Amino acid sequence: EVQLVESGGGLVQPGRSLRLSCASSGFTFDDYAMHWVRQAPEKGLEWVSGISWNSGSGSIAYADSVKGRFTISRDNAKNSLYLQMNSLRAEDTAFYYCAKEGDSTTIDYWGQGTLVTVSS
Amino acid sequence: QSALTQPASVSGSPGQSITISCTGTSSDVGSYNLVSWYQHHPGKAPKLMIYEGSKRPSGVSNRFSGSKSGNTASLTISGLQAEDEADYYCCSYAGSSTYVFGTGTKVTVL
Repeated sequence: EVQLVESGGGLVQPGRSLRLSCASSGFTFDDYAMHWVRQAPEKGLEWVSGISWNSGSGSIAYADSVKGRFTISRDNAKNSLYLQMNSLRAEDTAFYYCAKEGDSTTIDYWGQGTLVTVSS
Repeated sequence: QSALTQPASVSGSPGQSITISCTGTSSDVGSYNLVSWYQHHPGKAPKLMIYEGSKRPSGVSNRFSGSKSGNTASLTISGLQAEDEADYYCCSYAGSSTYVFGTGTKVTVL
């Protein structure tokens, strides 16, 4: 059974940094691309960032809203995905979901999410 | 990277059929046969219901079906049941390893 468990969320002041982690199990982690998707309060889902199985050049992408502030990475030896979030803004407040991409260029499994609140 | 457009809400009585539309552009929905649909109950992980426009993952009821025409994709739920009440999101691959989600539709079973 595919399991994705996010951690690292919490309350942080504007301008500060936070690092999210996602621990995976139940599948061969280094065979698949992975993504972060977020949902702000009372808003819809927003794709944030994605990384290919091997983190190779050109295989990392970001939404315009986080480009230059967020960095996605993965450690295949630890079956883990990360999101380093810098220069956080109030509008980054959201549930952040770790998600797995399947064989058909489709996001097929999601974690339960971790809440990030940016407030002074 | 503008969100795909979905109706804010759709409702129906038990047993009825409803259809949710998802309108994008020629850069996303219109360019790729890679539209997926997710069911999301608040506080839970979203669940994949349809992928590649019309394919159902194993375990998803055949009451759920998907289609696409031009820049618009659609999700139809037939034989509406109380358990179908949830938020539904479409998602399209948008090239260069990016994705775009729809604005979301709240489905209410009357």
